[in-house]
Amino acid sequence: KAGVTQTPRYLIKTRGQQVTLSCSPISGHRSVSWYQQTPGQGLQFLFEYFSETQRNKGNFPGRFSGRQFSNSRSEMNVSTLELGDSALYLCASSLSGGTNTEAFFGQGTRLTVV
Amino acid sequence: DQQVKQNSPSLSVQEGRISILNCDYTNSMFDYFLWYKKYPAEGPTFLISISSIKDKNEDGRFTVFLNKSAKHLSLHIVPSQPGDSAVYFCAATRSGSARQLTFGSGTQLTVLP
Repeated sequence: KAGVTQTPRYLIKTRGQQVTLSCSPISGHRSVSWYQQTPGQGLQFLFEYFSETQRNKGNFPGRFSGRQFSNSRSEMNVSTLELGDSALYLCASSLSGGTNTEAFFGQGTRLTVV
Repeated sequence: DQQVKQNSPSLSVQEGRISILNCDYTNSMFDYFLWYKKYPAEGPTFLISISSIKDKNEDGRFTVFLNKSAKHLSLHIVPSQPGDSAVYFCAATRSGSARQLTFGSGTQLTVLP
């Protein structure tokens, strides 16, 4: 059974540009969450999608957005990139979106903003 | 305000001994807790979880203990193996939170051969 797949693995962008990251969840999983990991702030929740609807959003500016498609694949977009957006972006999928189910993470996309 | 705290940034243990990683939380609404292991440049790998209706959950070499009154949980690894060397994250969530995990800052475990 394939795991959570994130593409691309590495990305270098210039300040002011925008970027789109992709996540394919485990087959059958309908909930997809996104997290940002930085050395200073640790792992922080960005948002969660279930059945193409954003159900919850973390404390991030509106430059961070996402969407989910009917096949449960998800994308997140960051516009007007800042140096501080350099981070490992992680996607997690879970079966039903209920709280008592485990979230399985992908390997992440390492974004570097220069 | 850090709602989930892992106060030990690092821990070194001899191979074969017990590793005990600790985690404290402040939000009494949290009712489900998870431990993840993470290697550099990889995503976290799920290890074990526990619901607030239990005080212990075991899976092979891994046992998680939950003390609700103290808002404290711990992960025990017995026996510890060199391959266990990684960063361990404690995470918490609450019913109806739609998979919003709140993570601790992590503990780097080093198991010495």
